[in-house]
Amino acid sequence: AQSVAQPEDQVNVAEGNPLTVKCTYSVSGNPYLFWYVQYPNRGLQFLLKYITGDNLVKGSYGFEAEFNKSQTSFHLKKPSALVSDSALYFCAVRDGGKLIFGQGTELSVKP
Amino acid sequence: DGGITQSPKYLFRKEGQNVTLSCEQNLNHDAMYWYRQDPGQGLRLIYYSQIVNDFQKGDIAEGYSVSREKKESFPLTVTSAQKNPTAFYLCASSIGLPDTQYFGPGTRLTVL
Repeated sequence: AQSVAQPEDQVNVAEGNPLTVKCTYSVSGNPYLFWYVQYPNRGLQFLLKYITGDNLVKGSYGFEAEFNKSQTSFHLKKPSALVSDSALYFCAVRDGGKLIFGQGTELSVKP
Repeated sequence: DGGITQSPKYLFRKEGQNVTLSCEQNLNHDAMYWYRQDPGQGLRLIYYSQIVNDFQKGDIAEGYSVSREKKESFPLTVTSAQKNPTAFYLCASSIGLPDTQYFGPGTRLTVL
């Protein structure tokens, strides 16, 4: 079965510093990977996805993710964090006709 | 959240009552999904539907029921058989089953 893991429950960064939110995956075959963000009491918003092609995927709000097949990782990155980036971030992998989500990582960006 | 509406935003239920959560989309998407979100557990799939009049159980379907009579609508009923229904419920849709899912704003259900 396909799965993803987000090893950090919480990530703290200072505004202006680069941020990384980690995700590792376990799949049979080629992975279809996604990142979503959730603000408090809201639905999830799609950020980006990897299906095939370039290992560096660019998405919404200045986020990007790096697909690394040898390390089975799909880490979310942003060069300069904003306080408004503070939210809950989910990594997901396609499993047939559905998505399997990680547990989520709470990102806190302090001024 | 654009294009997918969920109502109500907050819902309170007494034990033993069935309640129905509404999900409507105007994106002309074929596939629709229901998830349950609990703190620290991520999202868990309840039911999903690829086309009208067809749906499949997800990982935690017990105590829930759905219908898909129209392409735009995918209501979820939380029955009295669901032992711990207090949670945040999210509806999503996608063009097809393996595609990017877009989420509604959610309904927070509390059992009193």
